[in-house]
Amino acid sequence: SQTIHQWPATLVQPVGSPLSLECTVEGTSNPNLYWYRQAAGRGLQLLFYSVGIGQISSEVPQNLSASRPQDRQFILSSKKLLLSDSGFYLCACQRQTGQYFGPGTRLTVT
Amino acid sequence: LAKTTQPISMDSYEGQEVNITCSHNNIATNDYITWYQQFPSQGPRFIIQGYKTKVTNEVASLFIPADRKSSTLSLPRVSLSDTAVYYCLVGDLISGGYNKLIFGAGTRLAVHP
Repeated sequence: SQTIHQWPATLVQPVGSPLSLECTVEGTSNPNLYWYRQAAGRGLQLLFYSVGIGQISSEVPQNLSASRPQDRQFILSSKKLLLSDSGFYLCACQRQTGQYFGPGTRLTVT
Repeated sequence: LAKTTQPISMDSYEGQEVNITCSHNNIATNDYITWYQQFPSQGPRFIIQGYKTKVTNEVASLFIPADRKSSTLSLPRVSLSDTAVYYCLVGDLISGGYNKLIFGAGTRLAVHP
C-alpha cells in the first residue's frame, strides 16, 4: 500500500523567509502527485499537480512553486513567504479510487 | 468539473444515524462520487465511493438516485469519534491520467453525547 511522508510536521517562519516542504511517496511508481493548502476552517485548495518528473502544473497564481526532481518526491517552495501563505499543506497521491493524503505540514508565517 | 453543494454543518447524538446529502447537478457521465472524512490537523481520509444506486462498506453507505444529481452519505449509529468534516466530491476516474478533484467547504458534523 502507498505511504506518504511529509516534513516538517509543523513550521513557523518569518515573513520574507524562504520555504521548502518535502513530500515523498512509497509503495507506488510514477504516481500523480498533488499539493493542497487548507486555510483555517476552510476546504482544500489545489495548488499544484504533477504527472511525472519535471512536469508541474499550477492551479492558482501565487508566490509558491513546486518541483518534482524524482519520481516519488514532490517539493513545495517559496523564495519569500507572505502572511497569507500560512495554512495546512497537504501532499496527495492519486489512487484508483481517488486521492490518498499525507499527514500534512502546518505552516505559520509570522 | 461538477460543483457540489452540501450543508455547512450538522449536529447529531451518539447512536443516531446521520445522513448528509450532497447535490451535484452537473455531474458528468464519467464522474464518480467520493466522500472523504477529515479530522483536525489531518489529511482527508477516503470513506466511500460510488457511481450509481447503493454502495455499502464497513463504515458507511452511499445512496445515489438514478439521475445521479445528488448523493447521500449515511453513517449508522454515530459516535463521538465521528465528529469531523465530510467532503463530497465528483471526479472522472474512467478516463485515466490526471484526476482533478475540487474540495468544497464540506459538512462539519458534530456528534454530541
